[in-house]
Order: sequence, then C-alpha cells, then structure tokens
Amino acid sequence: AQSVTQLGSHVSVSEGALVLLRCNYSSSVPPYLFWYVQYPNQGLQLLLKYTSAATLVKGINGFEAEFKKSETSFHLTKPSAHMSDAAEYFCAVSDGGNFGNEKLTFGTGTRLTIIP
Amino acid sequence: EAGVAQSPRYKIIEKRQSVAFWCNPISGHATLYWYQQILGQGPKLLIQFQNNGVVDDSQLPKDRFSAERLKGVDSTLKIQPAKLEDSAVYLCASSISGGRTYEQYFGPGTRLTVT
Repeated sequence: AQSVTQLGSHVSVSEGALVLLRCNYSSSVPPYLFWYVQYPNQGLQLLLKYTSAATLVKGINGFEAEFKKSETSFHLTKPSAHMSDAAEYFCAVSDGGNFGNEKLTFGTGTRLTIIP
Repeated sequence: EAGVAQSPRYKIIEKRQSVAFWCNPISGHATLYWYQQILGQGPKLLIQFQNNGVVDDSQLPKDRFSAERLKGVDSTLKIQPAKLEDSAVYLCASSISGGRTYEQYFGPGTRLTVT
C-alpha cells in the first residue's frame, strides 16, 4: 500500500522568502509523485509530477521539487514567495498502476499563508 | 479546451435525504474519478471508471453511495440516504488513458452540507 505524509498542516512565509513544503512517501514499487494546488472553492491543479525521469522536477508558477529515494521525500520549493501562492497544497503518490489505471493517494494537505 | 464540469456547485440537504451529483469530463478522456474531500483532509478516491466500466470502487460505501457512467462519458454520483458525515466536497476528475500522461484534471467540486 502506498501513503503520503505531509509535515506541517499550516506553513507561513513572508513575501519574497523561500517556500518549503515537505512530503514523504511510502510505496512498495517505484512511485510516481505529484504536487497539486487548490485555491479556495476550486478544484485541484497539477503543479508538477515525477515519473522516474529527472529527479529535479520543475513545475508551473516557479515551483520545483526534488525526488530523493534515499529519504523517500519529494519536497516542494519556490525561491521567492508571492502573495498569489497562498493556497492549499497536496502531495500525492501513484504506483503507476496498469495501463490507464493511475490511482492517486493524497496527503492531508498543507495550507500556505503568505505574510505581506 | 473545456475543463471538467460539475453540478451543482453547492447543495444543502437534511440527513436521510438523497442527492445526486453530475460530472462531464474533458472530451476524449476515458478515465473518470470521483473523490470525496472532507474538510481538512486530502481527497479520497471513491470510484474510478474506465470508459463505462468500474476499475476500482473499493472505498465506495456501497450501502448508500452509487455511481454510474452511461455511454462512457457523463457520470452521476448518488447518495441515498445521506448522513451527517457525508458533508464534504465531491470532486470529479478525468484523465487520458492510452497516453500514460498520469495527469488527472479536476473539476471545481460540489460542496455538500448535510444538516
């Protein structure tokens, strides 16, 4: 069974500061890993994904994440926070599944607040 | 390209009543998912369809929840009778099967309040 742990349900950073959201995973097979963002009253939007290619993955809005197998981590970072980054962030893991069967298991989320 | 459409956006019902949610996936997406997102938690998969067949419904409370995807396009999720603990946002997502893109596209969700 696969699972995801997001450390810190709430994170606050100052505008312009580094954003670091932590995610650790557990999977019995090589994982596929994702970060999604959810703005208030909206669905989830994919930020970036790791599917066994480069370990440093770049996504939209200046976010990136690094897959570290030895640490079973996939932390999300952004060098300089912007007010528009305030949202809920979810890490998710998939075992890749069978052809056309990409089941995702989500973490409990981290609410990011940006301090002006 | 139109995104995943869901309706209604909000619904308030009393316990023991029934309710239905509708989802229209992105055109050409063969796989459709329904998730339940309880406040303060991540989305939990309820059911997954591949075309009009069920791939995974292991976490669907089948005594009160049902879902169908007729003709492999639109889908409806029904709750009958509703309980207080069913209050949540119900998210529909779709993905391409065949391209192995592994990206699921989410709709805006339906927020259900059971009183």
